[in-house]
Amino acid sequence: AQSVTQPDIHITVSEGASLELRCNYSYGATPYLFWYVQSPGQGLQLLLKYFSGDTLVQGIKGFEAEFKRSQSSFNLRKPSVHWSDAAEYFCAVGLSDSNYQLIWGAGTKLIIKP
Amino acid sequence: EAGVAQSPRYKIIEKRQSVAFWCNPISGHATLYWYQQILGQGPKLLIQFQNNGVVDDSQLPKDRFSAERLKGVDSTLKIQPAKLEDSAVYLCASSSRRGFNEQFFGPGTRLTVL
Repeated sequence: AQSVTQPDIHITVSEGASLELRCNYSYGATPYLFWYVQSPGQGLQLLLKYFSGDTLVQGIKGFEAEFKRSQSSFNLRKPSVHWSDAAEYFCAVGLSDSNYQLIWGAGTKLIIKP
Repeated sequence: EAGVAQSPRYKIIEKRQSVAFWCNPISGHATLYWYQQILGQGPKLLIQFQNNGVVDDSQLPKDRFSAERLKGVDSTLKIQPAKLEDSAVYLCASSSRRGFNEQFFGPGTRLTVL
């Protein structure tokens, strides 16, 4: 069955430090991959997506993600976090053979230390 | 451009009562989604509409949940009767068309069933 795993429930980083959030997926076909962010009191917002081509994709707010087919991973990175990045981050995989449904991970809550 | 609107933002009911949620998508968006997000989990798709037709309701508990989008714009999601396990945030999202286009999310309705 298709699934998305985000192994870290919480991650704490200092402001200005680098960040990597992990995402692994299980899906037999070509994956369509997404990262969304959910800030407190706000709706989910798309950070970036990967469909094909260059495996390193750039998104909004200075985020990037790298697709590694051999590892079934799509990790999210940012070189230097800001206090405003504190939020919950969700990875999702799109099922091209099932009405374009998204399967979501459980999310990783990012906490920023001053 | 106005975002996705949802109401109410919060609702507390007793089990076996009924409840309805309303969603107004971004103007012109043909595709509308309802998700259930239980605490500590990612969103789970309940139903997907394309204009006023249902594309996918395979994960909708049809014995108690119903949804409609009569004129292809606003949508309502109803639970009747509610169970304790229905306590969750109900998210509405819209996108310009079917496929893996960006989904724009509303702020959600937090339902507590006592």
